[in-house]
Amino acid sequence: NAGVTQTPKFQVLKTGQSMTLQCAQDMNHNSMYWYRQDPGMGLRLIYYSASEGTTDKGEVPNGYNVSRLNKREFSLRLESAAPSQTSVYFCASSEGGWRGYNEQFFGPGTRLTVL
Amino acid sequence: GEDVEQSLFLSVREGDSSVINCTYTDSSSTYLYWYKQEPGAGLQLLTYIFSNMDMKQDQRLTVLLNKKDKHLSLRIADTQTGDSAIYFCAESGDYGQNFVFGPGTRLSVLP
Repeated sequence: NAGVTQTPKFQVLKTGQSMTLQCAQDMNHNSMYWYRQDPGMGLRLIYYSASEGTTDKGEVPNGYNVSRLNKREFSLRLESAAPSQTSVYFCASSEGGWRGYNEQFFGPGTRLTVL
Repeated sequence: GEDVEQSLFLSVREGDSSVINCTYTDSSSTYLYWYKQEPGAGLQLLTYIFSNMDMKQDQRLTVLLNKKDKHLSLRIADTQTGDSAIYFCAESGDYGQNFVFGPGTRLSVLP
């Protein structure tokens, strides 16, 4: 099992460009998440999908859109990249369910720089 | 909203014990987690504790929970250079989607 995979690993964009970060999991998990990691700020939730067909905003959704394409795949789109979106982006998945223990499994991350 | 705080840095000598501390504000937290992030990698779950427990031990790891003070700690016994990483405290409530991470503590293990 590959677990959670993310592409690309690195990306450099110019301000105003758009791109889509891809994420896939092979653990048959219901829930998937997108986080960004900035120094000294931990991980902040951008969007999550509790189950196939649903998406919800997290703490920092502005400037991003998501698509839960199917149970395996959850993509994050930057429509018009800004330097403030320079960060490391992590996708995660979990079995889900609305109550209780919720171990999240993380991908290796995408390092994005916006010039 | 919920907040999780940790000191950002900790240095210890190889063979010593490390203690990483965390405080949280959400009194309804049901599960508290410790994740480890090695350089260039994603996060991996190290251990977790349910809020009705005071302590959990797993080999070299000991987690202590003081629910009254909303304080969580992770003790690593006989710290090795391979333990050098960033350690994140996280909490979730009854509804597993309310997942909040602390800023992470960078542990450096000196030979």
